[in-house]
Amino acid sequence: NAGVTQTPKFQVLKTGQSMTLQCAQDMNHEYMSWYRQDPGMGLRLIHYSVGAGITDQGEVPNGYNVSRSTTEDFPLRLLSAAPSQTSVYFCASGTPNTGELFFGEGSRLTVL
Amino acid sequence: GQQVMQIPQYQHVQEGEDFTTYCNSSTTLSNIQWYKQRPGGHPVFLIQLVKSGEVKKQKRLTFQFGEAKKNSSLHITATQTTDVGTYFCAGKRGSTLGRLYFGRGTQLTVWP
Repeated sequence: NAGVTQTPKFQVLKTGQSMTLQCAQDMNHEYMSWYRQDPGMGLRLIHYSVGAGITDQGEVPNGYNVSRSTTEDFPLRLLSAAPSQTSVYFCASGTPNTGELFFGEGSRLTVL
Repeated sequence: GQQVMQIPQYQHVQEGEDFTTYCNSSTTLSNIQWYKQRPGGHPVFLIQLVKSGEVKKQKRLTFQFGEAKKNSSLHITATQTTDVGTYFCAGKRGSTLGRLYFGRGTQLTVWP
């Protein structure tokens, strides 16, 4: 059972470039979310989705887009990367039944 | 701003000493969760507390949820080197998964 799979694990971008961080889960979870983790800042919610076709903003949504066309996938798009988006990104999925979030292994993004 | 405050940010203890981290919210939470993140790893769910005044134990770990459902604590008795990592609380308002707000975490170092 793969759980939550994130790709890529590492990425270096130049300012202004675009990219998509992929997230897939095989647990049939309704809920999926993206967090960014910066030193001393904990985990901050970027966007989340409570089901296919439904997305909403979290604490720090600016500069990021998401879509949820299937239950399994929840990609995070950076349209024009900025150095302030250098961070470790975690995708997580869960179900309201237990509330537990399952995290992917993270994607480390550096924007030069 | 930070929805859930967590202190201390760092804690260094000698193996065998106890450790406590505290979480506080200015608003009433529907539940609170605790996660552990090992160095270089991803957050892993430990427990969820739902009821006012709830206390739960997992071996040497004791979790408490305040009577007003605004604060919580995690206490580790007789720390071991395997306890090293960052402990996060995460609070939620409302009945659906929605927005789960993480504290900034307490980084625990254990000296042998």
